[in-house]
Amino acid sequence: SQQGEEDPQALSIQEGENATMNCSYKTSINNLQWYRQNSGRGLVHLILIRSNEREKHSGRLRVTLDTSKKSSSLLITASRAADTASYFCARESGSRLTFGEGTQLTVNP
Amino acid sequence: GAGVSQSPRYKVAKRGQDVALRCDPISGHVSLFWYQQALGQGPEFLTYFQNEAQLDKSGLPSDRFFAERPEGSVSTLKIQRTQQEDSAVYLCASSLGGLGGDYEQYFGPGTRLTVT
Repeated sequence: SQQGEEDPQALSIQEGENATMNCSYKTSINNLQWYRQNSGRGLVHLILIRSNEREKHSGRLRVTLDTSKKSSSLLITASRAADTASYFCARESGSRLTFGEGTQLTVNP
Repeated sequence: GAGVSQSPRYKVAKRGQDVALRCDPISGHVSLFWYQQALGQGPEFLTYFQNEAQLDKSGLPSDRFFAERPEGSVSTLKIQRTQQEDSAVYLCASSLGGLGGDYEQYFGPGTRLTVT
């Protein structure tokens, strides 16, 4: 069963707008990772944030982590139609990644 | 270099048949993972290898599922006596390092298994 929850389940925005996706979890983590999955394809790693980090940037991506609230957010700025995909957070504890159910992002041109 | 590859990409099996799914990780990657992804869901962990050692198989849903990585490289996930509930995409991932090292996982394209 999934132990991460993502919010919202689906998000539809216009090109150029920002998209924010949230992730909550229940137990302690080593790190939290965000992945993207285009329809029918494998997952692509976007960004990893360690448990002792609070914010991380990579290009148009910004990830925050609040371990006291057991939550993370992924912000995609200046979205493009090519950003349309499912986005998953995954928490690493021990040897495994536990994925959330994902947010389906649609960016309309 | 090449990424993680999986074969076959698609597999249709009749209920009761055995299937074998192959994963070729990135060369030199120590860790290998198998996940099961149902339609519209996130991947669920099945099992983890560090080199040839299977360190965690707690995610395998039943004793019909078996995975091996005999030489610490290619891995095979075998499902015996397939059932309809086994229909899913099976994802393989590899990472450079081992336990707790903050290594990202590189995923293959998956094998879509349909049991009829």
